[in-house]
This record gives sequence, C-alpha cells and structure tokens, in this order.
Amino acid sequence: GENVEQHPSTLSVQEGDSAVIKCTYSDSASNYFPWYKQELGKRPQLIIDIRSNVGEKKDQRIAVTLNKTAKHFSLHITETQPEDSAVYFCAARFFNDYKLSFGAGTTVTVRA
Amino acid sequence: DSGVTQTPKHLITATGQRVTLRCSPRSGDLSVYWYQQSLDQGLQFLIQYYNGEERAKGNILERFSAQQFPDLHSELNLSSLELGDSALYFCASSVVAGGSDTQYFGPGTRLTVL
Repeated sequence: GENVEQHPSTLSVQEGDSAVIKCTYSDSASNYFPWYKQELGKRPQLIIDIRSNVGEKKDQRIAVTLNKTAKHFSLHITETQPEDSAVYFCAARFFNDYKLSFGAGTTVTVRA
Repeated sequence: DSGVTQTPKHLITATGQRVTLRCSPRSGDLSVYWYQQSLDQGLQFLIQYYNGEERAKGNILERFSAQQFPDLHSELNLSSLELGDSALYFCASSVVAGGSDTQYFGPGTRLTVL
C-alpha cells in the first residue's frame, strides 16, 4: 500500500504569517491527494484536494502544490488566523486502491 | 455537517466486552470506510464496504468485524475489547468505491475501554 510521510509534526506561526506542510508519498501511481483539518475531538474535514493531472490548486488562503516527479505535495496557508489552529492530515490514494493512506498529522498553532 | 452520521457519540465499556458502532453514509453514497484514531495518533484505515460488499481491508484486528446492510448503513463490531482499543472510531462515505473519490467523515464514536 501507499506510505505517506508528513513534516513537520508541529508548527507554530505568528498570526498573519504563512504555514507550509509537506508530504511525500511512495507510489508514483498515486493519483489523488486530499488534505484534512481536524480540530480537537472533531471530525476530519476536507479542506482542499488535488488530483495528479494538476500541479497547483488554490482556495482563498489555502493552496496545495503537487510535484509528481519528486513525489511530494504541500499545503500552504497564507495570512494565518487563530482559527487555523488544528491538526492537518495529508493523504494519498494509489490509483487502483480504495483506501486513503494518511500522514501522521501536523499540529499547527497560530500565535496571536 | 458532512451528512455522515454515527452512533453512539460516546461508549464506555469494560475489557472483554463487545460493542457495535453504527454509521449512516451521506444520501447517495455507496461506499463506507472505517478508521481508528488512537490518542495523538493518525488515522488508521480499518475496512471499506461498497454497496454491501467488502472492498478493502487495512489493519483490522481479527476481533473486529464489519458489515454493510441493504440500506447502506454500516456497523463495526468490536469484541473481546482490550484497553488499547480505546480510540475514536470514524466512518467516512463516498459515492463510489475508489478512483479519486472524496471521502466525507462522520463525527466519530469515542470508545473508552476500562
């Protein structure tokens, strides 16, 4: 199955600064890469996803980039706000597989 | 609200017992996935069903089993419970079985084994 590594495990940023989380995956045939945000005790919520035929996708202050050659994808959050504080998980799906393989998560803390 | 519902929200039981967790997918979704999230851990895929049939299996213990019923709701059965089974159990649903399909998570069931 797919192996996904996520870095860093914790990230503290000043409000208004940018946050970047990077994930690498093992199988070059993976074709779908979602990002989930999970607040304490709540469900993971999809915030953005990208498919292998696209290099970058943006949604307001959030963007995801994909480098298929290097087999890594990154989440970028600009102009961070206190409500961005949460655990963020990346995931990948191998093209012929049914399940998502998740990274270990990044705890993001935005300091006011 | 994702449209995925799970019951119960909380469950407290003793070691050696058996419990059943229930999940109802979003309207129109045929696929259900179960995940386990232990304290300070990531999401571990357990099992997936599509339209009543098992489609994929992850790190699911033999003490655990699941099924999906004709109305598409799913149940996860955990037996001979151990302290280490205490975790958040999430189900997610999607329209189809694979491909690049988006999974939407339910609110989870918090299981505490004493």
